[in-house]
Amino acid sequence: KQEVTQIPAALSVPEGENLVLNCSFTDSAIYNLQWFRQDPGKGLTSLLLIQSSQREQTSGRLNASLDKSSGRSTLYIAASQPGDSATYLCAVSLNQGGKLIFGQGTELSVKP
Amino acid sequence: NAGVTQTPKFRILKIGQSMTLQCAQDMNHNYMYWYRQDPGMGLKLIYYSVGAGITDKGEVPNGYNVSRSTTEDFPLRLELAAPSQTSVYFCASSYSGAQYFGPGTRLLVL
Repeated sequence: KQEVTQIPAALSVPEGENLVLNCSFTDSAIYNLQWFRQDPGKGLTSLLLIQSSQREQTSGRLNASLDKSSGRSTLYIAASQPGDSATYLCAVSLNQGGKLIFGQGTELSVKP
Repeated sequence: NAGVTQTPKFRILKIGQSMTLQCAQDMNHNYMYWYRQDPGMGLKLIYYSVGAGITDKGEVPNGYNVSRSTTEDFPLRLELAAPSQTSVYFCASSYSGAQYFGPGTRLLVL
């Protein structure tokens, strides 16, 4: 059974720091991996999608990497800002159009 | 372009009442999903649909029903509300890759 784990559960950093959020999954046979951002009381915003054949994706200050063989993905946030404070969720899909299996999320707080 | 929309935003139900959570998407996506999010439990799939007229159960389908008569709409029905159904419900859609989520419906069953 595929399980997704995110460590740490919470992270607090000063503004301007570069940081890495971790996501691990137990079965390497994934179709894709998606990173989301969730603000308190709000829905999920898709940040990056990595197909199983890709190693990384970048969007602005965000860079996500994927290592299928080790069952790991990282989300790198450069020059963090207070506006980056949110919960970040990692999710994997096992097939096209398949359900997403979510991690528990990392709650990020960026202090001014 | 509205994306995925959900109504209502918030609802309080009494035990045993019924209601329908509405979900619509205007992206012509064939796949649609219903998830629930409980504190500390992550998101769990309730039901999903691969196209109009086709639905299937997810991980936690008990107490819910769905229908998919059109590509755009995917309503979720609660027939006899129970306190265990207190949660935040998210609808999502996709074409073949990324899933896009609606803003959610917060449901409280008392």
